Amino acid sequence: GESVGLHLPTLSVQEGDNSIINCAYSNSASDYFIWYKQESGKGPQFIIDIRSNMDKRQGQRVTVLLNKTVKHLSLQIAATQPGDSAVYFCAENRRQGGSEKLVFGKGTKLTVNP
Amino acid sequence: DAGVIQSPRHEVTEMGQEVTLRCKPISGHDYLFWYRQTMMRGLELLIYFNNNVPIDDSGMPEDRFSAKMPNASFSTLKIQPSEPRDSAVYFCASSFMAEPIYGYTFGSGTRLTVV
Repeated sequence: GESVGLHLPTLSVQEGDNSIINCAYSNSASDYFIWYKQESGKGPQFIIDIRSNMDKRQGQRVTVLLNKTVKHLSLQIAATQPGDSAVYFCAENRRQGGSEKLVFGKGTKLTVNP
Repeated sequence: DAGVIQSPRHEVTEMGQEVTLRCKPISGHDYLFWYRQTMMRGLELLIYFNNNVPIDDSGMPEDRFSAKMPNASFSTLKIQPSEPRDSAVYFCASSFMAEPIYGYTFGSGTRLTVV
């Protein structure tokens, strides 16, 4: 069935390095994608989003890249800090019938080593 | 704003017992979503409401699960009878609009353990 998934379940980086978290999606009709950050004991928190008519979007220290040809999404975190340690989820906005659903991937755990 | 408030934070119950999870959305938000999170299946949408009316409950696993929203400031998710496979973290989220571009705000979740 259709799904949103992640290539790597875990990622460990050194403080100050750049991090890249990847995500594959299979529904070519999805028009909107979001990256969420979830810290231990908390709910998912919005990081950055991108519409399907864009290839790249930048925020503060984060960049999302969208490659619709291969249905691939990535989140780049510049100068990774210990506070960036969390699980990161990509999510796609999927329209079905008269409703919209935010479908989440399974997540990548990012660990930042001091 | 206190954000989306869920209670209890943790719940341990015995198999067969009824469990009720509670959620208070952000004031002014007219969409409310219930998600379940497990290691195996990730975050799954169970049901969502608009103006207190259930819109899509296709994610509700089975008849043992029910959700209500009696007013704009309160929703419940009930499991009766509970089973060990229901063990998960249940999140409530609210939004001003259905489209996630308007921003879903998640609560801190209820960790349910059924023994």
